[in-house]
Amino acid sequence: GNSVTQMEGPVTLSEEAFLTINCTYTATGYPSLFWYVQYPGEGLQLLLKATKADDKGSNKGFEATYRKETTSFHLEKGSVQVSDSAVYFCALSEITGKLIFGQGTTLQVKP
Amino acid sequence: DAGITQSPRHKVTETGTPVTLRCHQTENHRYMYWYRQDPGHGLRLIHYSYGVKDTDKGEVSDGYSVSRSKTEDFLLTLESATSSQTSVYFCAINSGRNNEQFFGPGTRLTVL
Repeated sequence: GNSVTQMEGPVTLSEEAFLTINCTYTATGYPSLFWYVQYPGEGLQLLLKATKADDKGSNKGFEATYRKETTSFHLEKGSVQVSDSAVYFCALSEITGKLIFGQGTTLQVKP
Repeated sequence: DAGITQSPRHKVTETGTPVTLRCHQTENHRYMYWYRQDPGHGLRLIHYSYGVKDTDKGEVSDGYSVSRSKTEDFLLTLESATSSQTSVYFCAINSGRNNEQFFGPGTRLTVL
């Protein structure tokens, strides 16, 4: 079946450091791919998405490129801030519209 | 903001009692979902609905039932709560654009 695997956390960085959170997927067909972010005590917010191979999703300085050849959708940001501290989830959509989530990666950014 | 509310936001109950969680949306979306969030598991789909009175099971549906009698409301019921159902429950809607889902604020349920 379809699945999503994220790098284990927590990830701890200093402010202004470069961020990469790895995400790989297994899927039949060509799913849409998503990154969601969850700030403490809140629900999930859609951060960015990509709907086909080589698409780059971007939002709030975060980027991720849909790589079909490596079945990956890694999240990157050039310079993180303390306010980026959150849990990040990678997900894919099945043809039925259901989402399959990775286990989440906690990011902690220190001043 | 997709106009999704959940109630209650927090609940503590005892093993064996029935519990109903409510999800309400204001934008007439057809598809609605219930997930549970547990450490190390991400979000897992419990049940979903593709229209009024049309529902189907997700990957962790045992011990849960759902109902959708109106487009705007999707109810999740634990007929007899167990400690393993202690979790944070999220409702979501499908926007219809590339299967984007938008989530409610969540309900934290503790079963003692």
